[in-house]
Amino acid sequence: KAGVTQTPRYLIKTRGQQVTLSCSPISGHRSVSWYQQTPGQGLQFLFEYFSETQRNKGNFPGRFSGRQFSNSRSEMNVSTLELGDSALYLCASSLEPGVYEQYFGPGTRLTVT
Amino acid sequence: GNSVTQMEGPVTLSEEAFLTINCTYTATGYPSLFWYVQYPGEGLQLLLKATKADDKGSNKGFEATYRKETTSFHLEKGSVQVSDSAVYFCALSQKAGNTGKLIFGQGTTLQVKP
Repeated sequence: KAGVTQTPRYLIKTRGQQVTLSCSPISGHRSVSWYQQTPGQGLQFLFEYFSETQRNKGNFPGRFSGRQFSNSRSEMNVSTLELGDSALYLCASSLEPGVYEQYFGPGTRLTVT
Repeated sequence: GNSVTQMEGPVTLSEEAFLTINCTYTATGYPSLFWYVQYPGEGLQLLLKATKADDKGSNKGFEATYRKETTSFHLEKGSVQVSDSAVYFCALSQKAGNTGKLIFGQGTTLQVKP
C-alpha cells in the first residue's frame, strides 16, 4: 500500500506570493492533518480534515487555509507569504480522527525569500 | 493547556549503550501517548504508542511505559545502534473530542557513534 504522498517536495517562493501544497493520504484513510515544523517552534498543528470538513484548527493566522476533497486528498494554502512561513509542512493521514494511528508524509520544504 | 516536555538534546552515545529519553506531559483526562522518530530528510514515523495508564508500547527494541502517576512516557532502548541516530519526538493526543490532533515535544536529537 502506498504511503502518504506530498507534492511538491521543495518549493521556493517570494514574500507576498501565495502557495498551495498537496497531500494524498493512504488509500482508505479519510482523515488528514497538517503540521508545520520549524527549528524555533517545533511541530505545530495546523488543521484536521475528515469527510471534507475541517474538524480542528490550530493557532495560525487566517492566511493559512485548507480543504479536503471527496477522494480525501487535501490541499493547504498560504497567502501573502512571510519569511517566517519558511518551514517543513507535514501531512498525516489516518482512517478516522481519534484513536487511529497517523502516518506522515515526507513533507514539503517551503522556503520564502 | 496540554503540553509535552522532552529532555534537551543532543544526546550522544556509543554503540550498544543504554538509551533513555525523558518525556513528561500535562493534559486533562487520559491522553494517548506516542513516540515518533524522524530521520534526516524524512517525515515522522510512529515508533510506539500507549493509550492508557500502565500500557507499555514497544517496537524495534524501543520501549516506553505510560505512567499516569508521574505523567511520564520515557523512551528506552537497551542497546543502541548507529542506525538509531535520528530525532525523537514525544507526543500526546486527547481522546475527548474525537480528534487526532497531536501535541509534540520539542524533539531530542540522538547521535550514536560507532
